[in-house]
Amino acid sequence: DVKVTQSSRYLVKRTGEKVFLECVQDMDHENMFWYRQDPGLGLRLIYFSYDVKMKEKGDIPEGYSVSREKKERFSLILESASTNQTSMYLCASCSGGDYEQYFGPGTRLTVT
Amino acid sequence: GIQVEQSPPDLILQEGANSTLRCNFSDSVNNLQWFHQNPWGQLINLFYIPSGTKQNGRLSATTVATERYSLLYISSSQTTDSGVYFCAVGQGNTPLVFGKGTRLSVIA
Repeated sequence: DVKVTQSSRYLVKRTGEKVFLECVQDMDHENMFWYRQDPGLGLRLIYFSYDVKMKEKGDIPEGYSVSREKKERFSLILESASTNQTSMYLCASCSGGDYEQYFGPGTRLTVT
Repeated sequence: GIQVEQSPPDLILQEGANSTLRCNFSDSVNNLQWFHQNPWGQLINLFYIPSGTKQNGRLSATTVATERYSLLYISSSQTTDSGVYFCAVGQGNTPLVFGKGTRLSVIA
């Protein structure tokens, strides 16, 4: 079974803090993705990566950066957290040849 | 970009009833997935179905790629089927584009 794990299920941070959200997959997938989900706005793509050290901006990259130093790990970084980044963050991965994406359990981030 | 529309937005069923959820998309795709979001927020894979028909227990799905739609059938619904069902499409290994979901409530 494909397993995608995320470092925290719930996280509370203060405005201005630097926040790291970690995602790890155990299926040697080349492609990894970060989405956020907000009521009324659905799921929106933040960043994605097709390979180690590669990254591509999604639809809403402002205020975020990413890091992919190892194939299995894709980190989302909030450089200076703001209240409008309070959201559900979902990580996904898929292989290069089989396009089915698998999601982690999500991290509910609250910025106060 | 690709547009994805799901209908209906909300659905209330009596336990034991059947239902059909629809997903329309605006361009050709070679990736189409159906997900169920559980109460804790996790997206559970139901079907990977860019074309054809698949069945898994009480659930089945059909995608008619040439007509740009997919249907998810739920038979003999149970209260545990409640939640939000998402359709998502893509082209190859590109990021998925999600519909806004169908919120299903199954009442006993």
